Amino acid sequence: EAQVTQNPRYLITVTGKKLTVTCSQNMNHEYMSWYRQDPGLGLRQIYYSMNVEVTDKGDVPEGYKVSRKEKRNFPLILESPSPNQTSLYFCASSLSAGVEKLFFGSGTQLSVL
Amino acid sequence: DAKTTQPPSMDCAEGRAANLPCNHSTISGNEYVYWYRQIHSQGPQYIIHGLKNNETNEMASLIITEDRKSSTLILPHATLRDTAVYYCIVRSPYSGGGADGLTFGKGTHLIIQP
Repeated sequence: EAQVTQNPRYLITVTGKKLTVTCSQNMNHEYMSWYRQDPGLGLRQIYYSMNVEVTDKGDVPEGYKVSRKEKRNFPLILESPSPNQTSLYFCASSLSAGVEKLFFGSGTQLSVL
Repeated sequence: DAKTTQPPSMDCAEGRAANLPCNHSTISGNEYVYWYRQIHSQGPQYIIHGLKNNETNEMASLIITEDRKSSTLILPHATLRDTAVYYCIVRSPYSGGGADGLTFGKGTHLIIQP
């Protein structure tokens, strides 16, 4: 089944403790992206990747890192999480950037205490 | 400024057609109209998209007015599982601030009543 898989689904952590949210897609998509969703603010893009080894900042990249060493994986790294990064995170992928439709993962609810 | 305007909420009876309107009066010639939906905290799900012709797929129909300033998403036989927030998005192929150019507004919360 074609899908975008995120892990974990729920994560509670403390301020400053490094964490990684994994994202994997099995559709051989070139384009991948991370979003966060907060009440009243909608979905905001954090980082995106046009292809392997090519990443760029979205609208809210501060406090996040990403890497794209393989086509299928696009992990989101929080080196030193802070409470304002408590949010619902979504990974997405598409065949290419542009007008292709995006496939989203099920989301990761992160709480930073 | 928001590119699209949608009603915040709508009700529809189960089994009836749900018609969700969207205004996008400032749409430019190369921008597509996309519809996604999000069922309670799940990842958004693509529904349909179009440029200027009406489109239909297994999920829905998209009717775009001739002047392209508004559109309507039609779910022909709504079920309880169609209860979700529906987002109308105007998207150019390559826009700044992120290659996919997807800007999700507040959408329409569609509630299907049994």
